[in-house]
Amino acid sequence: DSGVTQTPKHLITATGQRVTLRCSPRSGDLSVYWYQQSLDQGLQFLIQYYNGEERAKGNILERFSAQQFPDLHSELNLSSLELGDSALYFCASSPVGGGQAEAFFGQGTRLTVV
Amino acid sequence: GQQVMQIPQYQHVQEGEDFTTYCNSSTTLSNIQWYKQRPGGHPVFLIQLVKSGEVKKQKRLTFQFGEAKKNSSLHITATQTTDVGTYFCAAREAGSYQLTFGKGTKLSVIP
Repeated sequence: DSGVTQTPKHLITATGQRVTLRCSPRSGDLSVYWYQQSLDQGLQFLIQYYNGEERAKGNILERFSAQQFPDLHSELNLSSLELGDSALYFCASSPVGGGQAEAFFGQGTRLTVV
Repeated sequence: GQQVMQIPQYQHVQEGEDFTTYCNSSTTLSNIQWYKQRPGGHPVFLIQLVKSGEVKKQKRLTFQFGEAKKNSSLHITATQTTDVGTYFCAAREAGSYQLTFGKGTKLSVIP
């Protein structure tokens, strides 16, 4: 158990809908990363937050947004969902920001868009 | 944006054979990390390399960081079935906060 909690574990929704994925980082970790992993694909970096502020942005679609709250948990919002958004979404946390230290991954949320 | 190339994409080896995966960047890296993802699991941190030319060992695993800090490799000696999974490198460019993952090398070990 990495200490990073992601909910829900599985999500099935229809095209055009909006969903929210939640991540609770390890106790004490200030940095949260979001990654998207499609079938047999690598981990695509979406966005990173550090202590509530956006630190780095990857190839995140405009339909996607995220935030980190004062209690350090983070949410990834995906809207106007398309079939191609079906993927495994991972959240990871780290004690420091900027990829300078080990990232601890949650179990992921598997999103299926039908 | 930063790109990290990792090869090979797949590798099938007989149990007991060695295995190597390579990671290359066109830009100088500040540090590089390696992760392992078992089938159906999540990525798990293996190691971080920071210094030019650094070599680190973990039992049968040897990690190297190139002199120019643009490439890295992971070598597994005498593979075992427990080594099955996808190995990812994750790189941070100098001056960047982003941790970019390679596409991974999926290792299959034939008993």
